[in-house]
Amino acid sequence: GDSVTQMEGPVTLSEEACLTINCTYTATGYPSLFWYVQYPGEGLQLLLKATKADDKGSNKGFEATYRKETTSFHLEKGSVQVSDSAVYFCALSVLLSYGQNFVFGPGTRLSVLP
Amino acid sequence: EAGVAQSPRYKIIEKRQSVAFWCNPISGHATLYWYQQILGQGPKLLIQFQNNGVVDDSQLPKDRFSAERLKGVDSTLKIQPAKLEDSAVYLCASSRTSGPHNEQFFGPGTRLTVL
Repeated sequence: GDSVTQMEGPVTLSEEACLTINCTYTATGYPSLFWYVQYPGEGLQLLLKATKADDKGSNKGFEATYRKETTSFHLEKGSVQVSDSAVYFCALSVLLSYGQNFVFGPGTRLSVLP
Repeated sequence: EAGVAQSPRYKIIEKRQSVAFWCNPISGHATLYWYQQILGQGPKLLIQFQNNGVVDDSQLPKDRFSAERLKGVDSTLKIQPAKLEDSAVYLCASSRTSGPHNEQFFGPGTRLTVL
């Protein structure tokens, strides 16, 4: 079945440190890949996405590249800020004959200290 | 553009009681999703609607959960009777159409506590 694995948190970094959150997936078809973010007290919102191999999604200084050969979609940022403190979810979507299967990873909590 | 609305935001009930959640998607969005998010886990898709028809409900525990989307707009999710393990945040999301590339927009969720 379809699944997403993320590195376990929590991750605690100092401001301006580099961030990498690992994400790997298993999919029966050819998935689209997403990173969603949940800030404290807010709902889930899309951070970035990639729909085919070697695509790079980017937003707010975050990047992730769709690597089909390693089935990975790692999230990176060169210099984190306190405002990046949130829970990050890697997710995939696969088209089925009757709709789509949308699977989330367990989430990684990031805390950035000033 | 107004976002996805959900109510109530919080609900506390005793086991074996019934509960219902309401969702109003973004105007014009044909596809609506209900997710269950247990504490410390990622959201799990329960059911997907395309307009007022069910596209996929394979992960919905149909012995106790039911959902409907009358007129292809608002939706309700019901649990009857509730169990302790149903304690979770119930998220509603919508997208313009179905399809793997489409962004889903999430509501704030309803936090359910079953005692």
